[in-house]
Amino acid sequence: KAGVTQTPRYLIKTRGQQVTLSCSPISGHRSVSWYQQTPGQGLQFLFEYFSETQRNKGNFPGRFSGRQFSNSRSEMNVSTLELGDSALYLCASSYGRETFFGQGTRLTVV
Amino acid sequence: QKEVEQNSGPLSVPEGAIASLNCTYSDRGSQSFFWYRQYSGKSPELIMSIYSNGDKEDGRFTAQLNKASQYVSLLIRDSQPSDSATYLCAVNTNAGKSTFGDGTTLTVKP
Repeated sequence: KAGVTQTPRYLIKTRGQQVTLSCSPISGHRSVSWYQQTPGQGLQFLFEYFSETQRNKGNFPGRFSGRQFSNSRSEMNVSTLELGDSALYLCASSYGRETFFGQGTRLTVV
Repeated sequence: QKEVEQNSGPLSVPEGAIASLNCTYSDRGSQSFFWYRQYSGKSPELIMSIYSNGDKEDGRFTAQLNKASQYVSLLIRDSQPSDSATYLCAVNTNAGKSTFGDGTTLTVKP
């Protein structure tokens, strides 16, 4: 069974730009969550989608948004990028209570 | 107070010893508890889940949960250098929100 797939793996963007990250969950998993991981703040929850609806949201500004499609694939978007948005963005899919992470997208904002 | 707190580390143990990793959480409504292992530059990997009070063993790993004390721990017996990683404690509430601790970095010295 394929794992959680995130694209792209690495990204460099300029301040002020916007970026879209993609995530394909494990087949059959309908819940997709997004996390931001930085050395200073650790792993922080962004939001969770289930059946195309946002079910939970973390404490991030409105520049961070996401969506989920009918095939459970998800995208997250960050607008007006700031230097502090440089991080590893992790997507995770869940079935029941267990969560499995993708390899992440390393975003660098310059 | 953070929602999920882990012993700050880093933790260093000799090969063959028992490594003990600890985690406390603040939300008494938490229902599911997980330990993830994250190697440097990689994404978190689920290694243990525990849902009821007591011990759960899987190979060299034992998770312990005490809901009254709001405490969950991970013991690694016969520690190997390959166990050197950052271990993340994660707690899920009934609402499905996942909160992670900052992690404890374990080094197993040959």
